[in-house]
Amino acid sequence: NAGVMQNPRHLVRRRGQEARLRCSPMKGHSHVYWYRQLPEEGLKFMVYLQKENIIDESGMPKERFSAEFPKEGPSILRIQQVVRGDSAAYFCASSPPGTGAYEQYFGPGTRLTVT
Amino acid sequence: SQKIEQNSEALNIQEGKTATLTCNYTNYSPAYLQWYRQDPGRGPVFLLLIRENEKEKRKERLKVTFDTTLKQSLFHITASQPADSATYLCALATGANNLFFGTGTRLTVIP
Repeated sequence: NAGVMQNPRHLVRRRGQEARLRCSPMKGHSHVYWYRQLPEEGLKFMVYLQKENIIDESGMPKERFSAEFPKEGPSILRIQQVVRGDSAAYFCASSPPGTGAYEQYFGPGTRLTVT
Repeated sequence: SQKIEQNSEALNIQEGKTATLTCNYTNYSPAYLQWYRQDPGRGPVFLLLIRENEKEKRKERLKVTFDTTLKQSLFHITASQPADSATYLCALATGANNLFFGTGTRLTVIP
């Protein structure tokens, strides 16, 4: 049973470009969470999604950031017009139905560098 | 404001000793608390969960305590080994949707 997959593992973007980060949850998991980890800071919750629904986006910046989890395919975190301050590690976690945040399995992360 | 503090950024101990890491929180009423291990360049790996009505949880060489009066959790690794060297994160859940993480303590076990 493969774990949570994230790609790309490393992404370099110039200021103003768009970044798309993908997350494939573990088989059988229907809940996806995105977190951001800035250098020397803790993981910060961004958004919680179920298939085709955003359940909680209280941690998402108001502008430029969006997330989706379509019926088919991976969850996507999209950052438009990236700025240097977006440079961070972005982690995705998934959980089985009915467990919520109790049982989260994290992916290896995508390290975004904005030049 | 809500805050989660882990005792120190870095902790060095001798192999074989017990490592004790602290997690203090303010302005939360967590339903449960979790501890994770994170290695460089990797995602966090779940270790233990303890609920608000539990005082202590054990798993092999790991022990977690949870004192909701003191608003503190202690995480112990007994008979520590160099392979235990990593960053350890505590995380609180107040509801069903997400976790609030501390900044972590980087543990180094010296052979």
